[in-house]
Amino acid sequence: KAGVTQTPRYLIKTRGQQVTLSCSPISGHRSVSWYQQTPGQGLQFLFEYFSETQRNKGNFPGRFSGRQFSNSRSEMNVSTLELGDSALYLCASSLDRPMETQYFGPGTRLLVL
Amino acid sequence: KQEVTQIPAALSVPEGENLVLNCSFTDSAIYNLQWFRQDPGKGLTSLLLIQSSQREQTSGRLNASLDKSSGRSTLYIAASQPGDSATYLCAVSTGNQFYFGTGTSLTVIP
Repeated sequence: KAGVTQTPRYLIKTRGQQVTLSCSPISGHRSVSWYQQTPGQGLQFLFEYFSETQRNKGNFPGRFSGRQFSNSRSEMNVSTLELGDSALYLCASSLDRPMETQYFGPGTRLLVL
Repeated sequence: KQEVTQIPAALSVPEGENLVLNCSFTDSAIYNLQWFRQDPGKGLTSLLLIQSSQREQTSGRLNASLDKSSGRSTLYIAASQPGDSATYLCAVSTGNQFYFGTGTSLTVIP
């Protein structure tokens, strides 16, 4: 069974631009969660999607948004990029609920210049 | 707000040694606790998940314990190997999201 995949793996953007990251969960998994990982703040929860609906949300500004499609694939969008958005963005999938065993993708490393 | 702390931040041990990693959390109202390992530049790999009603879980050379009332969990690694070198993270779930610890960077010296 294929694991969680994320595209692209690396991305360089400039301040003020926007970016879209993609995550394909393990087949059959319906919950997709997104996390931001930085050296200073560690791993922080962004949001979780289930059946095309945002079910849970962390404490991030509205510039961070996401969506989920009917095939459970998810995208995350960051608008008006800031230098502090440079991070490793990880998505994780689980069968139904985020508190179950989560399987993580390799991440997308975003650098904002 | 749930806060998760891991001590030590870094640990270096000779191959073959048994070791313990610590995780503490401030709110005992958790759904479960999960231990992960992260290799440099990569995503997380789930190692063990302990439900709030359980006291411990074992997988191979790994044993994780949970004391919910005191807000503590430990990950015991037996007979450490160089391949165990990685960052180990614990995460507690409130049912809606995971709160991650800061991680322990482990180096096993051959």
